[in-house]
Amino acid sequence: DAGVTQSPTHLIKTRGQHVTLRCSPISGHKSVSWYQQVLGQGPQFIFQYYEKEERGRGNFPDRFSARQFPNYSSELNVNALLLGDSALYLCASSSGEGTDTQYFGPGTRLTVL
Amino acid sequence: GENVEQHPSTLSVQEGDSAVIKCTYSDSASNYFPWYKQELGKGPQLIIDIRSNVGEKKDQRIAVTLNKTAKHFSLHITETQPEDSAVYFCAALEPNFNKFYFGSGTKLNVKP
Repeated sequence: DAGVTQSPTHLIKTRGQHVTLRCSPISGHKSVSWYQQVLGQGPQFIFQYYEKEERGRGNFPDRFSARQFPNYSSELNVNALLLGDSALYLCASSSGEGTDTQYFGPGTRLTVL
Repeated sequence: GENVEQHPSTLSVQEGDSAVIKCTYSDSASNYFPWYKQELGKGPQLIIDIRSNVGEKKDQRIAVTLNKTAKHFSLHITETQPEDSAVYFCAALEPNFNKFYFGSGTKLNVKP
């Protein structure tokens, strides 16, 4: 069974650019969450989507947005990139929302120059 | 909001010894506490979790205990092996806002 998949694996952007990261959840899972993990720290919650609706939002600026598609895959968009946006972006999927177990993908390593 | 603190930040043990990692949380509404193992260059892997209606859970060499009154939970790894070396994260779910909060991580080194 395929786990959570994310693309691309690595990405290099310059300040001010825009980036789109993609995630496909485990087959049958309807919830996707996004996290930012800065080197040496724990993941920070950005968004949770369930059945294509936003169900939770972390303390991130409006430059961060996301959406979930009818097939439950998801995109995370970041506009006007800053150096501080450099991080590992993780996607996690779960079958439902709330207390359901979350399974993480391998992440997308974003470097902003 | 919820605040999760994790200790120690690094832990070095001899192969075969036990390892204990502790976390505290601040929001009494938090009701789900997973533990993740993260190896270099990979995403976090769920190793065990516990819900607030349970005090202890065990899975082979790994166990988690939860003290709701004191708002702390711990990961116990017995008979450690070199392949247990990784960074371990605890997390707490704040259900009111549907958010997971992670600790800062513990780098475990198991020396052969």
